Amino acid sequence: DAMVIQNPRYQVTQFGKPVTLSCSQTLNHNVMYWYQQKSSQAPKLLFHYYDKDFNNEADTPDNFQSRRPNTSFCFLDIRSPGLGDAAMYLCATSRDQGGEQYFGPGTRLTVT
Amino acid sequence: QKEVEQDPGPLSVPEGAIVSLNCTYSNSAFQYFMWYRQYSRKGPELLMYTYSSGNKEDGRFTAQVDKSSKYISLFIRDSQPSDSATYLCGGYSSASKIIFGSGTRLSIRP
Repeated sequence: DAMVIQNPRYQVTQFGKPVTLSCSQTLNHNVMYWYQQKSSQAPKLLFHYYDKDFNNEADTPDNFQSRRPNTSFCFLDIRSPGLGDAAMYLCATSRDQGGEQYFGPGTRLTVT
Repeated sequence: QKEVEQDPGPLSVPEGAIVSLNCTYSNSAFQYFMWYRQYSRKGPELLMYTYSSGNKEDGRFTAQVDKSSKYISLFIRDSQPSDSATYLCGGYSSASKIIFGSGTRLSIRP
């Protein structure tokens, strides 16, 4: 089945220790998104790639970076995680910008 | 004021009831609207995607958009315990990202 896959599902990291979250997709969609979702809150868009073009949201902290080495994979790097970065991180894809978005299962990040 | 407002609930109804979930939005440029279902500790699952005003039906689900009042609704008929989840609404224009509401928690009592 075509889908969006996120690894790992649960990640524990220490305060200040870099962490990388992974997303892959078999939908062959052009656009990949990273969202941060905290408990009982709306998903908050961090950035997205349209093909290789990177689009950063204005309020995304510099601590968050992303890489998209090819169509199928996208990574979220958190350079120095703080306690406030503990959240669910959601990857989503869409065929084109403005299209329906399909989400992965998420990675729940805990910072100790 | 948030661009998309949703009552957080929780909303609890008996099995078999008709559920009405609602959102209001403030951006008159929104043209596309969607509803996602999110089970606890899982990613959102797209339920309904609509363009402009009107109704769209898919099985037990009906999405309704009233652009004149900036109001979007999701109706669930013959509700089941498996419908218990958080429901996120969202909207966007061709020039914007999706703006989500913060979700309504729904519980269906057997």
